[in-house]
Amino acid sequence: EVQLVESGGGLVQPGGSLRLSCAASGFTVSSNYMSWVRQAPGKGLEWVSVIYSGGSTYYADSVKGRFTISRDNSKNTLYLQMNSLRAEDTAVYYCARDQGFGELNFDYWGQGTLVTVSS
Amino acid sequence: SYVLTQPPSVSVAPGKTARITCGGNNIGSKSVHWYQQKPGQAPVLVIYYDSDRPSGIPERFSGSNSGNTATLTISRVEAGDEADYYCQVWDSSSDHHVVFGGGTKRTVL
Repeated sequence: EVQLVESGGGLVQPGGSLRLSCAASGFTVSSNYMSWVRQAPGKGLEWVSVIYSGGSTYYADSVKGRFTISRDNSKNTLYLQMNSLRAEDTAVYYCARDQGFGELNFDYWGQGTLVTVSS
Repeated sequence: SYVLTQPPSVSVAPGKTARITCGGNNIGSKSVHWYQQKPGQAPVLVIYYDSDRPSGIPERFSGSNSGNTATLTISRVEAGDEADYYCQVWDSSSDHHVVFGGGTKRTVL
């Protein structure tokens, strides 16, 4: 059974850093395209980043240069390193797996982890 | 960057048909995916590649895409269909960005 479990969220001050983890089971992270998607309180979904199976990475303009997506194949885990955090980064962060049919769309999602950026 | 426009809300009576639109410039040339999200839960994929249904999604959910509008249709609406619905495309020409619509809150009257 495919499962994604995020962790690492919490309260952080503006300008601070946080690393989110997404532990996967039932499939191999490195063989799939994996993304992070966030949702600010009461708002819609916003794509954050993707890492392709070949290792290429892409980011939303709002986080480029501040966030880094990566994976640890030995742990079958996806990460999101978030630096220079701002109040507008406050959101529930989901990791999601691409279906693998060619164009990104997400068939499995984690339960989400809340990141709050506030002083 | 590519923009997807959804109505903020759609209301429909139980047993009727709900249609949720997703507008975008020449969206018919892209593949559109739809997600259902209930309060406090992660999104669930209900339609992919315009009109395909994942296993476990009822046949009441269908999709179409042409011109500048994609549509998610929910037939014989049930109370349990009350949720937010999001359309999504992959804009490979724009730094591989994934784009979501703003979401539509579907209310059962």
